[in-house]
Amino acid sequence: DGGITQSPKYLFRKEGQNVTLSCEQNLNHDAMYWYRQDPGQGLRLIYYSQIVNDFQKGDIAEGYSVSREKKESFPLTVTSAQKNPTAFYLCASLEKPGQGRWEQFFGPGTRLTVL
Amino acid sequence: AQSVTQLDSQVPVFEEAPVELRCNYSSSVSVYLFWYVQYPNQGLQLLLKYLSGSTLVKGINGFEAEFNKSQTSFHLRKPSVHISDTAEYFCAVIKNTGGFKTIFGAGTRLFVKA
Repeated sequence: DGGITQSPKYLFRKEGQNVTLSCEQNLNHDAMYWYRQDPGQGLRLIYYSQIVNDFQKGDIAEGYSVSREKKESFPLTVTSAQKNPTAFYLCASLEKPGQGRWEQFFGPGTRLTVL
Repeated sequence: AQSVTQLDSQVPVFEEAPVELRCNYSSSVSVYLFWYVQYPNQGLQLLLKYLSGSTLVKGINGFEAEFNKSQTSFHLRKPSVHISDTAEYFCAVIKNTGGFKTIFGAGTRLFVKA
């Protein structure tokens, strides 16, 4: 079955440590996205990538970094510069931006807790 | 200005009662409109979408939504809810800002009581 996998489901880290969240898709989608979800705030866009080797900052990119070396993979690193990293992180993909489908497919999420 | 506004943060309702979850969007964004559902500790999945055509859109699990251009609304409805519909519901729009982004509302938590 095609889909998006995120690992791990739960992640605990000490304050000041960098941590990388994995996101892999086998849908052959061009675009991938990272969102942060906090209670009562909906989803906020961190970074997105519409093609391999290219990505753009979203609304809350400070303290985060990404790479897109392969079409299937879009890992997110939460750095020590992120002031309040504890949150639920969602990865999503979209087949071909601008070409009419528009539906985003989501992974199951990673809950990051910084102690 | 907020691109999409969900007017209720929580909606409690009894099982088998009808429900409406309200969503208004800014006229400055595209009229590609979506409703997604999120069950606890899971990702989002698409309920339904409006891209063009008929203003009444039917989705999965018996939900439907009506696009109203004059009122810039896209309210979600279900005539009879089940306990299993308890979840968070997000209204979303597509915005083209040099790259296509989906803008999500803050969410409405639907709580179905027995």
